[in-house]
Amino acid sequence: TQLLEQSPQFLSIQEGENLTVYCNSSSVFSSLQWYRQEPGEGPVLLVTVVTGGEVKKLKRLTFQFGDARKDSSLHITAAQPGDTGLYLCAGALSGTYKYIFGTGTRLKVLA
Amino acid sequence: KAGVTQTPRYLIKTRGQQVTLSCSPISGHRSVSWYQQTPGQGLQFLFEYFSETQRNKGNFPGRFSGRQFSNSRSEMNVSTLELGDSALYLCASSQQGQETQYFGPGTRLLVL
Repeated sequence: TQLLEQSPQFLSIQEGENLTVYCNSSSVFSSLQWYRQEPGEGPVLLVTVVTGGEVKKLKRLTFQFGDARKDSSLHITAAQPGDTGLYLCAGALSGTYKYIFGTGTRLKVLA
Repeated sequence: KAGVTQTPRYLIKTRGQQVTLSCSPISGHRSVSWYQQTPGQGLQFLFEYFSETQRNKGNFPGRFSGRQFSNSRSEMNVSTLELGDSALYLCASSQQGQETQYFGPGTRLLVL
Protein backbone atom coordinates (compact mmCIF):
# COMPACT_ATOMS: atom_id res chain seq x y z
CA THR A 1 0.00 0.00 0.00
CA GLN A 2 1.39 3.36 -1.01
CA LEU A 3 1.16 5.99 1.68
CA LEU A 4 2.03 9.64 1.94
CA GLU A 5 2.29 10.67 5.57
CA GLN A 6 2.00 14.26 6.59
CA SER A 7 3.06 15.73 9.89
CA PRO A 8 1.93 17.30 12.00
CA GLN A 9 -1.77 16.56 11.60
CA PHE A 10 -2.80 19.69 13.48
CA LEU A 11 -0.98 22.91 14.18
CA SER A 12 -2.19 25.96 16.05
CA ILE A 13 0.25 28.87 16.18
CA GLN A 14 0.35 32.59 16.82
CA GLU A 15 0.61 35.13 14.04
CA GLY A 16 4.23 35.82 13.16
CA GLU A 17 5.55 32.36 14.04
CA ASN A 18 7.30 30.06 11.57
CA LEU A 19 6.25 26.48 10.84
CA THR A 20 7.20 23.48 8.74
CA VAL A 21 4.93 20.75 7.41
CA TYR A 22 6.41 17.44 6.28
CA CYS A 23 5.28 14.95 3.69
CA ASN A 24 7.00 11.54 3.65
CA SER A 25 6.68 8.34 1.67
CA SER A 26 8.57 5.21 0.73
CA SER A 27 7.42 5.69 -2.87
CA VAL A 28 9.29 7.70 -5.48
CA PHE A 29 7.27 10.42 -7.16
CA SER A 30 7.80 12.02 -10.52
CA SER A 31 6.31 15.22 -9.13
CA LEU A 32 4.69 16.46 -5.98
CA GLN A 33 2.03 19.10 -5.51
CA TRP A 34 1.04 21.13 -2.48
CA TYR A 35 -2.51 22.38 -2.09
CA ARG A 36 -4.40 24.50 0.43
CA GLN A 37 -8.04 23.82 1.06
CA GLU A 38 -10.62 25.95 2.85
CA PRO A 39 -13.75 24.42 4.42
CA GLY A 40 -16.34 23.38 1.84
CA GLU A 41 -14.10 24.23 -1.11
CA GLY A 42 -11.80 22.29 -3.39
CA PRO A 43 -8.02 22.22 -2.89
CA VAL A 44 -6.21 25.13 -4.52
CA LEU A 45 -2.81 24.42 -6.05
CA LEU A 46 0.11 26.18 -4.40
CA VAL A 47 3.08 24.66 -6.19
CA THR A 48 4.39 21.69 -8.18
CA VAL A 49 7.92 20.44 -7.61
CA VAL A 50 9.51 18.08 -10.09
CA THR A 51 13.26 17.82 -9.62
CA GLY A 52 14.90 16.09 -6.65
CA GLY A 53 16.38 18.72 -4.35
CA GLU A 54 14.27 21.48 -5.91
CA VAL A 55 13.37 24.48 -3.77
CA LYS A 56 10.55 26.82 -4.74
CA LYS A 57 9.52 30.02 -2.98
CA LEU A 58 6.11 31.60 -3.11
CA LYS A 59 6.21 34.80 -1.02
CA ARG A 60 6.44 33.53 2.58
CA LEU A 61 6.11 29.86 1.59
CA THR A 62 9.14 27.71 0.77
CA PHE A 63 8.69 24.26 -0.74
CA GLN A 64 11.40 21.62 -0.97
CA PHE A 65 11.42 18.29 -2.79
CA GLY A 66 13.71 15.65 -1.32
CA ASP A 67 16.77 14.54 -3.28
CA ALA A 68 15.32 11.04 -3.68
CA ARG A 69 11.88 12.45 -4.60
CA LYS A 70 10.23 10.57 -1.73
CA ASP A 71 9.54 13.47 0.60
CA SER A 72 8.79 17.16 0.66
CA SER A 73 8.42 20.01 3.10
CA LEU A 74 6.52 23.27 3.25
CA HIS A 75 7.91 26.07 5.40
CA ILE A 76 5.87 29.16 6.20
CA THR A 77 7.65 32.23 7.52
CA ALA A 78 5.82 34.75 9.70
CA ALA A 79 2.46 32.99 9.46
CA GLN A 80 -0.66 35.12 9.09
CA PRO A 81 -4.32 34.32 9.88
CA GLY A 82 -4.94 34.12 6.12
CA ASP A 83 -2.67 31.06 6.01
CA THR A 84 -5.25 29.10 8.01
CA GLY A 85 -6.48 26.03 6.17
CA LEU A 86 -5.88 22.39 5.34
CA TYR A 87 -2.56 21.78 3.59
CA LEU A 88 -2.36 18.70 1.39
CA CYS A 89 0.55 17.17 -0.45
CA ALA A 90 0.00 14.89 -3.43
CA GLY A 91 2.55 12.72 -5.16
CA ALA A 92 2.31 11.58 -8.77
CA LEU A 93 3.51 8.02 -9.32
CA SER A 94 5.70 7.97 -12.39
CA GLY A 95 4.06 6.62 -15.54
CA THR A 96 0.82 5.60 -13.83
CA TYR A 97 -1.37 8.74 -13.90
CA LYS A 98 -2.02 7.90 -10.24
CA TYR A 99 -1.78 10.33 -7.38
CA ILE A 100 -1.41 9.67 -3.69
CA PHE A 101 -2.66 12.31 -1.30
CA GLY A 102 -1.26 12.99 2.10
CA THR A 103 -3.40 12.85 5.21
CA GLY A 104 -3.37 16.64 5.49
CA THR A 105 -2.17 19.21 8.00
CA ARG A 106 -4.81 21.46 9.51
CA LEU A 107 -3.21 24.81 10.31
CA LYS A 108 -4.77 27.53 12.42
CA VAL A 109 -3.01 30.85 12.77
CA LEU A 110 -4.28 32.98 15.63
CA ALA A 111 -4.21 36.78 15.43
CA LYS B 1 -9.49 30.55 -18.54
CA ALA B 2 -12.38 29.24 -16.49
CA GLY B 3 -11.56 26.76 -13.78
CA VAL B 4 -13.02 23.35 -13.11
CA THR B 5 -16.74 23.55 -12.47
CA GLN B 6 -18.87 21.03 -10.63
CA THR B 7 -22.63 20.78 -10.36
CA PRO B 8 -24.56 20.67 -8.20
CA ARG B 9 -22.64 22.19 -5.28
CA TYR B 10 -24.89 20.65 -2.66
CA LEU B 11 -27.14 17.62 -2.69
CA ILE B 12 -29.30 15.85 -0.15
CA LYS B 13 -30.47 12.30 -0.87
CA THR B 14 -31.90 9.43 1.11
CA ARG B 15 -30.54 5.92 1.46
CA GLY B 16 -31.18 3.72 -1.54
CA GLN B 17 -31.44 6.55 -4.03
CA GLN B 18 -28.94 7.21 -6.77
CA VAL B 19 -27.12 10.40 -7.67
CA THR B 20 -25.26 11.82 -10.67
CA LEU B 21 -22.59 14.49 -10.29
CA SER B 22 -21.16 16.53 -13.13
CA CYS B 23 -17.73 17.99 -13.79
CA SER B 24 -16.53 20.31 -16.54
CA PRO B 25 -12.75 20.43 -16.78
CA ILE B 26 -10.59 23.39 -17.67
CA SER B 27 -10.73 24.00 -21.42
CA GLY B 28 -8.12 21.86 -23.14
CA HIS B 29 -7.75 19.42 -20.25
CA ARG B 30 -8.56 15.88 -21.28
CA SER B 31 -7.90 14.04 -18.03
CA VAL B 32 -10.53 14.11 -15.32
CA SER B 33 -10.18 12.45 -11.92
CA TRP B 34 -12.73 12.02 -9.17
CA TYR B 35 -12.05 11.90 -5.44
CA GLN B 36 -14.10 11.36 -2.31
CA GLN B 37 -13.13 13.41 0.73
CA THR B 38 -14.34 12.63 4.24
CA PRO B 39 -13.04 13.82 7.62
CA GLY B 40 -12.04 10.31 8.61
CA GLN B 41 -10.47 9.01 5.39
CA GLY B 42 -9.17 12.16 3.75
CA LEU B 43 -8.97 12.34 -0.03
CA GLN B 44 -9.51 8.99 -1.70
CA PHE B 45 -9.14 8.37 -5.42
CA LEU B 46 -12.24 7.07 -7.22
CA PHE B 47 -11.29 6.94 -10.91
CA GLU B 48 -9.63 8.81 -13.74
CA TYR B 49 -10.77 9.26 -17.32
CA PHE B 50 -8.83 10.29 -20.37
CA SER B 51 -10.33 10.60 -23.84
CA GLU B 52 -13.56 8.90 -22.73
CA THR B 53 -11.70 5.86 -21.33
CA GLN B 54 -11.28 4.94 -17.69
CA ARG B 55 -7.54 4.82 -17.23
CA ASN B 56 -7.35 4.21 -13.47
CA LYS B 57 -9.69 3.06 -10.76
CA GLY B 58 -9.52 3.24 -6.99
CA ASN B 59 -10.80 0.76 -4.42
CA PHE B 60 -14.47 1.64 -4.35
CA PRO B 61 -17.45 -0.70 -4.83
CA GLY B 62 -19.19 -1.05 -8.16
CA ARG B 63 -21.94 1.31 -6.97
CA PHE B 64 -19.55 4.08 -7.94
CA SER B 65 -19.23 4.56 -11.67
CA GLY B 66 -18.29 7.28 -14.06
CA ARG B 67 -17.99 8.27 -17.65
CA GLN B 68 -16.44 10.93 -19.80
CA PHE B 69 -17.89 12.55 -22.87
CA SER B 70 -16.20 13.58 -26.10
CA ASN B 71 -15.99 17.18 -24.86
CA SER B 72 -14.07 15.91 -21.78
CA ARG B 73 -16.94 16.65 -19.42
CA SER B 74 -17.38 13.87 -16.90
CA GLU B 75 -20.10 12.48 -14.70
CA MET B 76 -19.98 10.15 -11.77
CA ASN B 77 -22.88 8.11 -10.54
CA VAL B 78 -23.48 6.50 -7.18
CA SER B 79 -26.29 3.98 -6.97
CA THR B 80 -28.03 2.59 -3.90
CA LEU B 81 -26.71 5.35 -1.66
CA GLU B 82 -25.55 4.52 1.84
CA LEU B 83 -25.12 6.83 4.81
CA GLY B 84 -21.34 6.42 4.50
CA ASP B 85 -21.42 7.95 1.03
CA SER B 86 -21.92 11.37 2.59
CA ALA B 87 -18.82 13.29 1.56
CA LEU B 88 -17.33 16.07 -0.52
CA TYR B 89 -16.84 14.76 -4.06
CA LEU B 90 -14.05 16.49 -5.89
CA CYS B 91 -13.22 16.54 -9.55
CA ALA B 92 -9.78 17.48 -10.87
CA SER B 93 -8.54 18.00 -14.39
CA SER B 94 -5.09 18.04 -15.92
CA GLN B 95 -3.51 18.59 -19.30
CA GLN B 96 -2.09 15.73 -21.32
CA GLY B 97 1.51 15.17 -20.31
CA GLN B 98 1.21 17.37 -17.24
CA GLU B 99 0.99 15.92 -13.75
CA THR B 100 -0.50 18.90 -11.97
CA GLN B 101 -4.19 18.56 -11.20
CA TYR B 102 -6.58 21.46 -10.77
CA PHE B 103 -9.58 20.92 -8.56
CA GLY B 104 -13.16 22.08 -8.75
CA PRO B 105 -15.09 23.40 -5.73
CA GLY B 106 -16.65 20.01 -5.07
CA THR B 107 -20.16 18.66 -4.59
CA ARG B 108 -21.18 18.11 -1.00
CA LEU B 109 -23.46 15.09 -0.79
CA LEU B 110 -25.47 14.35 2.31
CA VAL B 111 -27.23 11.00 2.53
CA LEU B 112 -30.01 10.77 5.11
